[in-house]
Amino acid sequence: SAVISQKPSRDICQRGTSLTIQCQVDSQVTMMFWYRQQPGQSLTLIATANQGSEATYESGFVIDKFPISRPNLTFSTLTVSNMSPEDSSIYLCSVGITGSHEQYFGPGTRLTVT
Amino acid sequence: QQQVKQSPQSLIVQKGGISIINCAYENTAFDYFPWYQQFPGKGPALLIAIRPDVSEKKEGRFTISFNKSAKQFSLHIMDSQPGDSATYFCAASMSTGFQKLVFGTGTRLLVSP
Repeated sequence: SAVISQKPSRDICQRGTSLTIQCQVDSQVTMMFWYRQQPGQSLTLIATANQGSEATYESGFVIDKFPISRPNLTFSTLTVSNMSPEDSSIYLCSVGITGSHEQYFGPGTRLTVT
Repeated sequence: QQQVKQSPQSLIVQKGGISIINCAYENTAFDYFPWYQQFPGKGPALLIAIRPDVSEKKEGRFTISFNKSAKQFSLHIMDSQPGDSATYFCAASMSTGFQKLVFGTGTRLLVSP
């Protein structure tokens, strides 16, 4: 398994601003993922962030809105840009364990946009 | 074809009873089927997972039953406890590509004392 931390744990932001969420894992991992979970809903994959390559975005998510960095094998950031109230969600990072299908999730960042 | 359908949406079970949550998929390329447990304010935690080469996997009070021909799998929680009250998500992924997880819609389980 892996121990994953996220910062901040929660934030309240004004519309039009941007927020960068950090994800730190306690071991080197190849695959990191960013998900969005709207209140009371399931998880939707935003993008896959592998070290050394550009993030791969899912349909409906674009780099200009959700730029991602992956500078090394233990860290990634997701920025939510030009926020609107519709961006209010929980943002979760997860890591894929090399050699298995297992994915482990961080505690999430609860974002409220006013 | 990428969807995973999950039912029921919510479930109330008495303490000591069996909780059963069902999922169905269409894409036969899926070859890994995990279940996640999520408590309010927490990230999902991997509970148990199965691959299609076995029909059942048991870990403690949690059992996955897998029916490859029907493209269905289910989670059984035996002797359900109030501490099991949480939201449960089934998911599926493929060995190819980035092994992205496709999640079901979730089941909110309440175990009454």
